[in-house]
Amino acid sequence: GNSVTQMEGPVTLSEEAFLTINCTYTATGYPSLFWYVQYPGEGLQLLLKATKADDKGSNKGFEATYRKETTSFHLEKGSVQVSDSAVYFCALTLTNAGGTSYGKLTFGQGTILTVHP
Amino acid sequence: GAVVSQHPSWVICKSGTSVKIECRSLDFQATTMFWYRQFPKQSLMLMATSNEGSKATYEQGVEKDKFLINHASLTLSTLTVTSAHPEDSSFYICSAQTLASQETQYFGPGTRLLVL
Repeated sequence: GNSVTQMEGPVTLSEEAFLTINCTYTATGYPSLFWYVQYPGEGLQLLLKATKADDKGSNKGFEATYRKETTSFHLEKGSVQVSDSAVYFCALTLTNAGGTSYGKLTFGQGTILTVHP
Repeated sequence: GAVVSQHPSWVICKSGTSVKIECRSLDFQATTMFWYRQFPKQSLMLMATSNEGSKATYEQGVEKDKFLINHASLTLSTLTVTSAHPEDSSFYICSAQTLASQETQYFGPGTRLLVL
């Protein structure tokens, strides 16, 4: 079946440190890959996505590259801020060969990030 | 835009009672809504997919008679936990997507249920 594995947290960093949160997946077919972020007391928000191999998703200084050869989609940010403290979820959805999504999301277990001043 | 609300945000009930959770898309029409369950320090597990005007599709292992889902309009879906028991205590999250953007799901803030 399809699955997503994230590095275990929690991750604690100082402000301006470099962030990497590892994510690997197993999937049949043509997955699209996502990173969602959940700030305290709020719902999940889409952070970035990539729909095919070698695509790079980016948003708010975060980046992730779809690596088919290593089945990975690691999240990176060069300089984190206190406001980045949140829970980060890696996820995938399957699409058909034409790129149309089947809709269902499979999530990783989430990684708690805490950034200290 | 693309805001999804849930009500209530938290609820405490006695064992054996039923609880209804509402999920609303506030500024868009949601052709499909999803219901997830999240245990502490664990991932979101998809419970069911509901399309407006049709019966929900439940994931394997989810009891459809226990978790009743209704998607009567393009802006509202409800999840009713019937005859709730302590093991049903969890964090329930809904999401919604539009026909125009099927890859993007907009999530509600979640409802925490505690069954005593």
